[in-house]
Amino acid sequence: GAGVSQSPSNKVTEKGKDVELRCDPISGHTALYWYRQRLGQGLEFLIYFQGNSAPDKSGLPSDRFSAERTGESVSTLTIQRTQQEDSAVYLCASSRLYGGYNEQFFGPGTRLTVL
Amino acid sequence: SQQGEEDPQALSIQEGENATMNCSYKTSINNLQWYRQNSGRGLVNLILIRSNEREKHSGRLRVTLDTSKKSSSLLITASRAADTASYFCATDLGTSYGKLTFGQGTILTVHP
Repeated sequence: GAGVSQSPSNKVTEKGKDVELRCDPISGHTALYWYRQRLGQGLEFLIYFQGNSAPDKSGLPSDRFSAERTGESVSTLTIQRTQQEDSAVYLCASSRLYGGYNEQFFGPGTRLTVL
Repeated sequence: SQQGEEDPQALSIQEGENATMNCSYKTSINNLQWYRQNSGRGLVNLILIRSNEREKHSGRLRVTLDTSKKSSSLLITASRAADTASYFCATDLGTSYGKLTFGQGTILTVHP
C-alpha cells in the first residue's frame, strides 16, 4: 500500500516567514511522529500524535513551532517567523502502535532552507 | 550525549566485502531498529529487534543485540555499491508510544 507522504519535498523561504509542512500517514496508523534532522546529524524527536491529540510535544524547540493533526489523518507542522537555524530536513513517521509493538515508517521528508 | 551512538562514524569498503556497524546505548530499551537513509532523505526500515531477541536476519543483513552490553551490531554481507548510504540505529526506550532516540549514524561507502 501507499507509504507515508510529505509535502513539499523542498521549501526555500526567507527568514521571518511562516512555513507549513504536511504529512500524510499510512492509512490505519494511529500514531504519528515528527522529527528534525540537521545536516550530518541523527534525527531529533519533535512531537507525537495519538489520533488528533499530542501527548508528547517535548521536542518542539520553541513556541514558534506548532503542529496539529486531523483525526487519524493528515498532520501539519507550522514554523512561524523562521530562523536560519530552522534549516533542516523534517521527517514524519507513522505507526500502528499495538500491543507495545511499534515500528515506525518514515516519509521522504521536507528539506527546509531558510535564507 | 546521544542514547544511541554508532561506530564507526564512517566506513569505506570494496564491493563484496562485509560491513559491520555497531550501536551502543545507555538505558534499557524495548526494541532497537536499524534504518538506512539514502541521500539524506527518507529512512528505510531494515530490521527491528526486540529486547528479548538476540539475532535477526533479513537477506544479506544480520542484526545482533546484546542487552547486557547495551549494544547492537548490523552486518551487511557481500556488500554492493547500492548499499552506500547512512545507517542509523534507533532505540525505543519503552514509552507507551514508541518514542525513538537516534544515533548520529554511520556513513557507509561501498566502492565498485
